[in-house]
Amino acid sequence: ILNVEQSPQSLHVQEGDSTNFTCSFPSSNFYALHWYRWETAKSPEALFVMTLNGDEKKKGRISATLNTKEGYSYLYIKGSQPEDSATYLCAFIGNYGQNFVFGPGTRLSVLP
Amino acid sequence: GAGVSQSPSNKVTEKGKDVELRCDPISGHTALYWYRQSLGQGLEFLIYFQGNSAPDKSGLPSDRFSAERTGGSVSTLTIQRTQQEDSAVYLCASSLGAGYWDIQYFGAGTRLSVL
Repeated sequence: ILNVEQSPQSLHVQEGDSTNFTCSFPSSNFYALHWYRWETAKSPEALFVMTLNGDEKKKGRISATLNTKEGYSYLYIKGSQPEDSATYLCAFIGNYGQNFVFGPGTRLSVLP
Repeated sequence: GAGVSQSPSNKVTEKGKDVELRCDPISGHTALYWYRQSLGQGLEFLIYFQGNSAPDKSGLPSDRFSAERTGGSVSTLTIQRTQQEDSAVYLCASSLGAGYWDIQYFGAGTRLSVL
């Protein structure tokens, strides 16, 4: 059974704090990793598609890194804002047809 | 339309009834995905359509679940003889190209409640 884990499960930070969370996945048979943000009562929104070991991607105050050899990806948020409050999901895609195995998510709450 | 559209947004049904959930992907998107999120669970992949290829049905939880995509556009997810454990939010997503490197755009979901 393919396991994708995310930590922490939930996180409360103050506005202006920087934060990061982790997605862990099998280091073998890696094909791609997706990051999504899912705000309550909205649709999940794609943030990044990570494909190569060492990838770093950035979108505004949010960035992500990828280490396929050790099987983890970090998502960073710089200067958190209340509108960043959401559940952040990663999804692993493997070489052998393991379709979009999602992690359980990290629920971020940014307090004003 | 501008985005992925799903209907209905909410569906309440009685155990044993059949339900159909509809997804209109973004025009021109060749790939279409169905997922579900049960209460307290993560997102679960159900089925993937890519162009005219045979769909990847590996995520469908039982033979009560089926999906089709007509004309490479609209998709319908059908659940026969619904059970209470089918209660979940069913999400549809589409992406422009083939493969797993493309950004997916999600609909707002259908919340299914089986009484």
